Amino acid sequence: SQKIEQNSEALNIQEGKTATLTCNYTNYSPAYLQWYRQDPGRGPVFLLLIRENEKEKRKERLKVTFDTTLKQSLFHITASQPADSATYLCALEAAGNKLTFGGGTRVLVKP
Amino acid sequence: NAGVTQTPKFQVLKTGQSMTLQCAQDMNHNSMYWYRQDPGMGLRLIYYSASEGTTDKGEVPNGYNVSRLNKREFSLRLESAAPSQTSVYFCASRRESSYNEQFFGPGTRLTVL
Repeated sequence: SQKIEQNSEALNIQEGKTATLTCNYTNYSPAYLQWYRQDPGRGPVFLLLIRENEKEKRKERLKVTFDTTLKQSLFHITASQPADSATYLCALEAAGNKLTFGGGTRVLVKP
Repeated sequence: NAGVTQTPKFQVLKTGQSMTLQCAQDMNHNSMYWYRQDPGMGLRLIYYSASEGTTDKGEVPNGYNVSRLNKREFSLRLESAAPSQTSVYFCASRRESSYNEQFFGPGTRLTVL
């Protein structure tokens, strides 16, 4: 069956360090993968999209990699700040422009 | 632009009661979605609508019905609420662009007693 896995344990990190989150999937062949940020009590907000033929994408302090052989995406927040504290969700494109979401990883950046 | 709006924000129902969750978007998007989010489960798709007048089931449609009233509005109905439907419900719409990003509403927190 299809599965998307993100580390369910919260990631505690010191301000200024790089946070790295993992998204693993099985039995998918997605055309693209997206990352969203979700703050408590709010809906997710789109951050980045990476396509199957792209190895890496950057946006400001965010970097996403996509390895279709390993079936894995890594999400990096460089020079992390307390304002980066949130839950980060990966989502894979399924048929018909539908998304399937992972369970999310909570990041807590300590000053 | 208000983006995606949802009403109500909170609701408590008794088992067997019915209710409709409302969703509207002002971005002229064709595709709209209803998700539920439970702790540790991520977002699960209940129903979606690729365009006005069309709807289709997602991963967890049982116990729900939807109506795509027009391009702006997409409602979710619980005919006979059950405690298993206690969850946070999010509506979203998708922009047809190179990013295909979905825009989410603020959510409805529903408790079924």
